[in-house]
Amino acid sequence: NAGVTQTPKFQVLKTGQSMTLQCAQDMNHNSMYWYRQDPGMGLRLIYYSASEGTTDKGEVPNGYNVSRLNKREFSLRLESAAPSQTSVYFCASKSTPGGYSPLHFGNGTRLTVT
Amino acid sequence: DQQVKQNSPSLSVQEGRISILNCDYTNSMFDYFLWYKKYPAEGPTFLISISSIKDKNEDGRFTVFLNKSAKHLSLHIVPSQPGDSAVYFCAAKDSGANNLFFGTGTRLTVIP
Repeated sequence: NAGVTQTPKFQVLKTGQSMTLQCAQDMNHNSMYWYRQDPGMGLRLIYYSASEGTTDKGEVPNGYNVSRLNKREFSLRLESAAPSQTSVYFCASKSTPGGYSPLHFGNGTRLTVT
Repeated sequence: DQQVKQNSPSLSVQEGRISILNCDYTNSMFDYFLWYKKYPAEGPTFLISISSIKDKNEDGRFTVFLNKSAKHLSLHIVPSQPGDSAVYFCAAKDSGANNLFFGTGTRLTVIP
């Protein structure tokens, strides 16, 4: 039972390079999320997808794009990486967007932009 | 503007004693509260939750207390075990909204 799987685990980019972080869940969840974790900031929502075919901005969307490829997969793209995007990125999913159910997280991607 | 605050970055407790982790929130629309536990190099793992219609929820050694008038919640771990050593995040949301807001975390160390 894999849950939420993120790839890659680690990545180093130079300023201006692009990359896509991949996320897949096998729990048949409708909603998927991308968070970033920075020291002293907690986790902050970048983008989310309430259901297949929809995406919306969270608290800190600038510099990112997302694609909900299908019900299982939700990718996060950095078109032109900046040092301020050095962070740990977590993908999460839940069965429904609202209501009283918890998020289930992947193990994260640690990204360094030099 | 941090809507969920954990003012203690770290806490050390002897094995077998009680651990109390605290959390404050500012948004009166929040009606669902969760605690997550995080080990190094892993994602946060859901631990326990409480909705605003309750003031207490227990699950084994873990109890969450909610004081809505004070906009405060706490997590009690009794008895504390070395395996409980981790970072604990408090989180809160409006059940009608999509975003879950997180605190900055408290690192708990349980000393054998």
